[in-house]
Amino acid sequence: EAQVTQNPRYLITVTGKKLTVTCSQNMNHEYMSWYRQDPGLGLRQIYYSMNVEVTDKGDVPEGYKVSRKEKRNFPLILESPSPNQTSLYFCASSPQGTDTQYFGPGTRLTVL
Amino acid sequence: AQTVTQSQPEMSVQEAETVTLSCTYDTSENNYYLFWYKQPPSRQMILVIRQEAYKQQNATENRFSVNFQKAAKSFSLKISDSQLGDTAMYFCAFMNSFNTGNQFYFGTGTSLTVIP
Repeated sequence: EAQVTQNPRYLITVTGKKLTVTCSQNMNHEYMSWYRQDPGLGLRQIYYSMNVEVTDKGDVPEGYKVSRKEKRNFPLILESPSPNQTSLYFCASSPQGTDTQYFGPGTRLTVL
Repeated sequence: AQTVTQSQPEMSVQEAETVTLSCTYDTSENNYYLFWYKQPPSRQMILVIRQEAYKQQNATENRFSVNFQKAAKSFSLKISDSQLGDTAMYFCAFMNSFNTGNQFYFGTGTSLTVIP
């Protein structure tokens, strides 16, 4: 089944404890992206990647890191999480950036 | 920076009626892509419809159609024969063409409730 998977789906952590949210797609897509969704703000792009080893900042990259060492994986790293990073996070992929994006199921992150 | 504006935070419609959700965007580019996504209570993001700016014909997908006004930078979504399953948050999204960047911009969303 063609899909984008994210893990974990739910995570509660404490300020400053490094964490990684994984994202994987099995559709051989070139483009992958991370978003955060906050009430009243819609979805905001954090980082995106056009291909392996190519990443670019979105609208809200501060406090996040990404890497794209393999085509299928695009992990989101929070080196020192803070409470303002409490949010719902989505990973998405598409054949190219201008195509339909396929979204993962979301990761609900709470930073205490 | 590009911006996408959805001026209707909440809307409601009677089952079987028609509703239109508005979206405006700001860009200096000529080639770009526009999308409407639906997010039901399950939180899953689902593509509703996609429009390429260089195509003058409005996109249509079954009961969903758009009114794309390029000069006015407007991209509204019309839902005909509304069904209870259409109850969801709807997001308008914009992306520049491949050669001018690949950043996505979403609006703040419109929460649509279909009333039985």
